Amino acid sequence: NAGVTQTPKFRILKIGQSMTLQCTQDMNHNYMYWYRQDPGMGLKLIYYSVGAGITDKGEVPNGYNVSRSTTEDFPLRLELAAPSQTSVYFCASSTGTSNQPQHFGDGTRLSIL
Amino acid sequence: EDKVVQSPLSLVVHEGDTVTLNCSYEVTNFRSLLWYKQEKKAPTFLFMLTSSGIEKKSGRLSSILDKKELFSILNITATQTGDSAVYLCAVVPYLQGGSEKLVFGKGTKLTVNP
Repeated sequence: NAGVTQTPKFRILKIGQSMTLQCTQDMNHNYMYWYRQDPGMGLKLIYYSVGAGITDKGEVPNGYNVSRSTTEDFPLRLELAAPSQTSVYFCASSTGTSNQPQHFGDGTRLSIL
Repeated sequence: EDKVVQSPLSLVVHEGDTVTLNCSYEVTNFRSLLWYKQEKKAPTFLFMLTSSGIEKKSGRLSSILDKKELFSILNITATQTGDSAVYLCAVVPYLQGGSEKLVFGKGTKLTVNP
């Protein structure tokens, strides 16, 4: 009963390094989302996808890239890490129908020094 | 700009107390409002509200929506230490073409002391 799985759980990066945060779901959900959560703040949408091959920007997309080659996977890429990207990143998925909520992964805690 | 405001931001109570958490919103083309509970890790879903005046209930938790006054409340009766968490309110605006772009409030941090 995995649901939404995120890896790694935590990571420390140096400024300018790049990395990919992995997200996979086994619920056959079409819709997937990436959020970031800064201390004392709610979650802000970075990117989302309504199906394989389709992605779109959310509220705070700058500095990130995504791809969606399969229904299951939705990786988030940081190309040039900056201290402002220190945050907790959550991936979520949903069926996309109006009466079904989003399901969240356990998050990736990322620190950029 | 769509906006969700939760109050209070922080609350400390004793076991057995009843608490009310507030969520007000401004959104174009409202679709639904959701409550999540966040402990150490992932937000976990509590309620989805779409219609005014209909209470959703799960054990000691209940929630109701007022679409005229643009707010929702989450009630927790007979609180327990396990209720300690951040409670997130999120609104889903209706968007052409679908997607569920949640707009979150900052959350209410509830601490229940024994």
